[in-house]
Amino acid sequence: DAKTTQPNSMESNEEEPVHLPCNHSTISGTDYIHWYRQLPSQGPEYVIHGLTSNVNNRMASLAIAEDRKSSTLILHRATLRDAAVYYCILRDSGNQFYFGTGTSLTVIP
Amino acid sequence: DAGITQSPRHKVTETGTPVTLRCHQTENHRYMYWYRQDPGHGLRLIHYSYGVKDTDKGEVSDGYSVSRSKTEDFLLTLESATSSQTSVYFCAISAGAPGGEQYFGPGTRLTVT
Repeated sequence: DAKTTQPNSMESNEEEPVHLPCNHSTISGTDYIHWYRQLPSQGPEYVIHGLTSNVNNRMASLAIAEDRKSSTLILHRATLRDAAVYYCILRDSGNQFYFGTGTSLTVIP
Repeated sequence: DAGITQSPRHKVTETGTPVTLRCHQTENHRYMYWYRQDPGHGLRLIHYSYGVKDTDKGEVSDGYSVSRSKTEDFLLTLESATSSQTSVYFCAISAGAPGGEQYFGPGTRLTVT
């Protein structure tokens, strides 16, 4: 069973903000929401995570819906180096991570 | 960058042969994971470990076994490799703190002919 649902692909113009959505309607109260990204021929890279409140770090912002059934990863100014597959993942209390198929982000110069 | 290495990085083997992949960490993290990545499937968890000699199955564990005799090493074994196990294998580590992130190794590309 898919725990998260993401669009297969999205496009953004360079230097514009990008909002990557994720639905996780079956999330439990103890599941953390994680985002990772994967560049071609590399392992996934941690981006950000949160539980209930919105989070910011140097890479991105994470906006979590009040009911926690959806979240949005925000890249404030897309660069060509941000072109990657972005995964929205739930981490359960047993420390397992459930990856979906992710969103392939294309950044247009 | 987190200290995670995988060996070998590339391997070609024949159907029916045993294969062992190694993941080595220098971070002293408690949790270690093995994933496989195939086109159209994202990453799928094979096995994970929550301490020395403590392991558990993931969603695609059939045909794989693991061992962890030291904190720093997590081995993935294909007892008798099949063509369906051709994939890219990623190791990951996590400190296990509530909600804490995973760090991934560079991957091993395995081809079973």
